[in-house]
Amino acid sequence: ETGVTQTPRHLVMGMTNKKSLKCEQHLGHNAMYWYKQSAKKPLELMFVYNFKEQTENNSVPSRFSPECPNSSHLFLHLHTLQPEDSALYLCASSQQSVAGNNSPLHFGNGTRLTVT
Amino acid sequence: QKEVEQNSGPLSVPEGAIASLNCTYSDRVSQSFFWYRQYSGKSPELIMSIYSNGDKEDGRFTAQLNKASQYVSLLIRDSQPSDSATYLCAVKGYSTLTFGKGTMLLVSP
Repeated sequence: ETGVTQTPRHLVMGMTNKKSLKCEQHLGHNAMYWYKQSAKKPLELMFVYNFKEQTENNSVPSRFSPECPNSSHLFLHLHTLQPEDSALYLCASSQQSVAGNNSPLHFGNGTRLTVT
Repeated sequence: QKEVEQNSGPLSVPEGAIASLNCTYSDRVSQSFFWYRQYSGKSPELIMSIYSNGDKEDGRFTAQLNKASQYVSLLIRDSQPSDSATYLCAVKGYSTLTFGKGTMLLVSP
């Protein structure tokens, strides 16, 4: 098993669909993250969970809804997305939250999302 | 607004040459600095971290940090075609990690 696993790898959805992205980490880390990576833009932090508690919501629209049932699993629920939401969505984990320590991020391979 | 600036490239170097990747940042209280490598279609992976002024070497990679000038660089010696990727600079202040857009490196055989 790789450290951080994301499914699905690719997702095409219409604007009226509801779908979920899944992330699982096998590293024993306590913090998990969702990032958005768009062409020609820096990685954008969306959400941070530390010990299952959401510690950061980076002004993300409500059509993105995260869920963290335990320290190993993270979901991103999607509904009524817009074409501009098409991007690579990366999950990451670290030993502890970035705030206050230097734990490096370990990324999953991402979900390539296309909204039609 | 904390910013991390990188030249988007591509930076083209011949095999065996030294590749020099640069990054500047705006937040003076930044404490930790990271270089991630991202192959096309893959996720970023950490290759270097540096926390104090000066050089830090790890194999063919050397990270250089100058806090007074607010820049951090990554040198890759004896560049190989397998080094061709996008290199992301990430800077951490007290609580947030900010990424640059990345520099694409192309190493030609």
